[in-house]
Amino acid sequence: EVQLVESGGGLVQPGGSLRLSCAASGFTFRSNAMHWVRQAPGEGLVWVSRIQSDGSSTSYADSVKGRFTISRDNAKNTLFLQMNTLRADDTAVYFCVRDGAATIPLDYWGLGTLVIVSS
Amino acid sequence: EIVLTQSPGTLSLSPGERATLSCRASQSVSRNYLAWYQQKPGQAPRLLIYDASSRATDIPDRFSGSGSGTDFTLTISRLEPEDFAVYYCHHYGSSTWTFGQGTNVEIK
Repeated sequence: EVQLVESGGGLVQPGGSLRLSCAASGFTFRSNAMHWVRQAPGEGLVWVSRIQSDGSSTSYADSVKGRFTISRDNAKNTLFLQMNTLRADDTAVYFCVRDGAATIPLDYWGLGTLVIVSS
Repeated sequence: EIVLTQSPGTLSLSPGERATLSCRASQSVSRNYLAWYQQKPGQAPRLLIYDASSRATDIPDRFSGSGSGTDFTLTISRLEPEDFAVYYCHHYGSSTWTFGQGTNVEIK
């Protein structure tokens, strides 16, 4: 069974940093690209970032480019999101999501971890 | 970046009725890389449809997707009580991925 478990969320002051982790199990982690998607309270889904299966390529939404860094450790089946210079509008639940095989997109989602940016 | 606009914002229907949700893209979606997700309160989204019309694993056949280019539709043929939720369309496969703003299907 595919499982994605996020951790690392919490309350942080504006301008601060936070590192999210996602522990993956139930599939061959090194074979799939991975994503982070976020959802502000009461709002819709927003794609944040993607990383290729071997970590060789990354992409970001314009709203986080230059502040967030996605990475992965395939030996430890773990995905990361380093978030710097956090702003109030980064407040959201952050989901770790698997990129499916072939043309199948975001097929498995974690339950998410809540990040609150507030003074 | 492709902008996706969903309509209507809210759809009020009764169980057993047909639901038709629209998703319009600001430019043509290459290779029909358009997906639909269902999200219930407090839960993660669930993939329903990919490649505009392919049903994901274990998705009931009352859910169907259609369309190409810039206009896409999700149809729920007969609403079951568990289908009342928010639905998002999603463009994927390019350097940046985007979601529509969602359609809330609520019980009338």
